[in-house]
Amino acid sequence: DAGVTQSPTHLIKTRGQQVTLRCSPKSGHDTVSWYQQALGQGPQFIFQYYEEEERQRGNFPDRFSGHQFPNYSSELNVNALLLGDSALYLCASSLEGSGANVLTFGAGSRLTVL
Amino acid sequence: AQSVAQPEDQVNVAEGNPLTVKCTYSVSGNPYLFWYVQYPNRGLQFLLKYITGDNLVKGSYGFEAEFNKSQTSFHLKKPSALVSDSALYFCAVREWNAGNNRKLIWGLGTSLAVNP
Repeated sequence: DAGVTQSPTHLIKTRGQQVTLRCSPKSGHDTVSWYQQALGQGPQFIFQYYEEEERQRGNFPDRFSGHQFPNYSSELNVNALLLGDSALYLCASSLEGSGANVLTFGAGSRLTVL
Repeated sequence: AQSVAQPEDQVNVAEGNPLTVKCTYSVSGNPYLFWYVQYPNRGLQFLLKYITGDNLVKGSYGFEAEFNKSQTSFHLKKPSALVSDSALYFCAVREWNAGNNRKLIWGLGTSLAVNP
């Protein structure tokens, strides 16, 4: 049973560029959440997708957008990259209605913005 | 506003000794509380959760946590630490309310080092 898979694992971009990160949820899960984890910090909630819609959003600018596909996989897009966007981006999946949304995390995509 | 505090950046214990990793929280409603562990180059792994009921919650790998409503704490404990427990531990809270809030608020993490 595959867990959450994320790609790419590492990437380097320059300021102003755009990036797309991808996530496949754990088999049987239908909800995907994205978190940003800066070095030495705890994860910060970006947004959550369910039934192909953004259901809740954290305190992130509109440069951060996402999508969920019919197969429950998801993408995180970040436009006009800033140096401060350098972080580990974590995707987590869960099953709606399973109670207290226990999350299964992927290993993350480490983004470096130069 | 929801918040989580992990007052210790690092905890050092000797193998075989009991360990405690502290967490306090602040929510305006009822809390769902979680502990996750992060090993190097790996994703966060769920350890245990408190929703309601018994204040002592047992989880994976022999860990347990005690919910204390009056002290708004949810400390992680293990009776006998193993070197393999060395990792970064995160406490997280979700405020349960009628608005279907699903956002988890995370602490900054506590690095646990278990010395042989």
